[in-house]
Amino acid sequence: DILMTQTPLSLSVTPGQPASISCKSSQSLLHSDGKTYLYWFLQKPGQPPQLLIYEDSNRFPGVSDRFSGSGSGTDFTLQISRVEAEDVGVYYCMQSIVLPKTFGQGTKVEIK
Amino acid sequence: EVQLVQSGGGLVQPGGSLRLSCAASGFTFSSYAMNWVRQAPGKGLEWVSGIIATGFDTYYADSVRGRFTISRDNSKNTLYLQMSSLRADDTAVYYCSKDRSLDHWGQGTLVTVSS
Repeated sequence: DILMTQTPLSLSVTPGQPASISCKSSQSLLHSDGKTYLYWFLQKPGQPPQLLIYEDSNRFPGVSDRFSGSGSGTDFTLQISRVEAEDVGVYYCMQSIVLPKTFGQGTKVEIK
Repeated sequence: EVQLVQSGGGLVQPGGSLRLSCAASGFTFSSYAMNWVRQAPGKGLEWVSGIIATGFDTYYADSVRGRFTISRDNSKNTLYLQMSSLRADDTAVYYCSKDRSLDHWGQGTLVTVSS
């Protein structure tokens, strides 16, 4: 199985400041079709996860442009340009290049 | 609007069985793969099972293979997860989710395996 490792596991951010979460995979997520099968989700308290970023760097419709994804191969980053109170929750990365789909451990983001 | 409405779940004894359902609307259900993902209390996300659009191919995590069966009824726009030989470590909130990208999720349903 592909191991997904997120850092940090928790983050406390002042509103209006940027935040960054790293995700590393144990194998390359670049498929022969040219797509990179790395996804980012946010799970707000008491809610199901919601998709933020698909295929490494594509923002899902309706997601704020404060969120951006980047990276390649095995190293990926989710960036929040200016954290807002509504961004609190646990962020997960996930790979979907092979089964089983696997998730990172999650990064809990809190507001200072 | 895409909606995934889950039902089923509840308390079951170890060794027992349970069936979860996920009713889909707002998209062409028969055109998309579907998945089940679970989350044990206070833990992270674990992909459990997936099924292609036609239902002809199914996939499972090692932890549930041979005990869980995923299926779908495209005429009813409904996804199912039949769970048997349930164990305490199957206790979790179970979510259905659409497509390879898991772009939409159901509200989740709690399955508790306990005597």
